[in-house]
Amino acid sequence: DSGVTQTPKHLITATGQRVTLRCSPRSGDLSVYWYQQSLDQGLQFLIQYYNGEERAKGNILERFSAQQFPDLHSELNLSSLELGDSALYFCASSVGGQAYGYTFGSGTRLTVV
Amino acid sequence: GIQVEQSPPDLILQEGANSTLRCNFSDSVNNLQWFHQNPWGQLINLFYIPSGTKQNGRLSATTVATERYSLLYISSSQTTDSGVYFCAVATSGSRLTFGEGTQLTVNP
Repeated sequence: DSGVTQTPKHLITATGQRVTLRCSPRSGDLSVYWYQQSLDQGLQFLIQYYNGEERAKGNILERFSAQQFPDLHSELNLSSLELGDSALYFCASSVGGQAYGYTFGSGTRLTVV
Repeated sequence: GIQVEQSPPDLILQEGANSTLRCNFSDSVNNLQWFHQNPWGQLINLFYIPSGTKQNGRLSATTVATERYSLLYISSSQTTDSGVYFCAVATSGSRLTFGEGTQLTVNP
């Protein structure tokens, strides 16, 4: 157990639907990062939050949004899902705002049918 | 953006063999990490090594920042070492850019 908890582990949903992925960071870590891993794009940075504030944004689609709550857990919302959104979505956390010493969660495998 | 190239893309070894994985990057970095993704998909942080050398058991890593490359050494490989090894870098801030990985298969 890495200390970063992601739920659910697996998710199957239909095109056009909306889902929410949840991440609880390791105790004491203030930064949360979201990554998408797909067969054709590899591991891609989506977004980072630090202590509740958005810190950095990557190639995140407008249909996707995220937030970090006061208790530091984070949610990634994916809407109007398309087949191409099928991927493994990882959350990672670190102590500070820099990417020092990432710890990854076990991921959520999203399948859009 | 920064480019990260890993080699070789695939590597097949017999148990007990040693190997070296390479990561080249196209710009100065303030952060470099090596990860292992096991066959179950879990990403494990092996090293945070923007420069210098570190060792952890049978694994060690060296980053020569001035020449923009990093090496990951695996000695006396075991079947449990199988999986994909990723190098990831950041030039500033916190956004990590990942290489495409090296797929390692260790046969008994």
